[in-house]
Amino acid sequence: GESVGLHLPTLSVQEGDSAVIKCTYSDSASNYFPWYKQELGKRPQLIIDIRSNMDKRQGQRVTVLLNKTVKHLSLQIAATQPGDSAVYFCAEINTGNQFYFGTGTSLTVIP
Amino acid sequence: DSGVTQTPKHLITATGQRVTLRCSPRSGDLSVYWYQQSLDQGLQFLIQYYNGEERAKGNILERFSAQQFPDLHSELNLSSLELGDSALYFCASSIEGGGGTEAFFGQGTRLTVV
Repeated sequence: GESVGLHLPTLSVQEGDSAVIKCTYSDSASNYFPWYKQELGKRPQLIIDIRSNMDKRQGQRVTVLLNKTVKHLSLQIAATQPGDSAVYFCAEINTGNQFYFGTGTSLTVIP
Repeated sequence: DSGVTQTPKHLITATGQRVTLRCSPRSGDLSVYWYQQSLDQGLQFLIQYYNGEERAKGNILERFSAQQFPDLHSELNLSSLELGDSALYFCASSIEGGGGTEAFFGQGTRLTVV
């Protein structure tokens, strides 16, 4: 079964606000955590990733936080735009080299 | 364009049949992953190959099998198809086999079993 879980299946925010998507993982030895964005009917695309030797990583309008103590990940999208509406997946590479994705959070940005 | 090519894009077949999905990874990528995505569901990891060898196995049914050829393209074989096998099947590739690098996804093959 999936080793990654998400707290919220759907999330709606007003355009311009921040969105925070949370995720948990199960394997404490996992060392790589990518976040993918999947627009309707399209392929998943990497938006940011973080390795286990980091606590935080920032990209353009996106920040990922990793809390290894409680095995939590979060993705923050700042100044959201309608184009950010999509499903966001967190994932982990576990010690068995299995690349597991979470169920996904559907983000809707309301103009 | 991710550089990962999947064929066919769409496939409609009857229950009990067998189909083969094909994936060509990005140039230089040695690792291929296969995923199944049912309607409004997440990405279920099926199997991973690295440089021709099976590297990791996920939730892959016994009716499904895969292989990676010397030219690094991969095929996913689905047999004795059931209605519940209808899904979007994605292939992804990455340079490394141990993870830790970005995986690029193909456009997917949408399989409909009727």
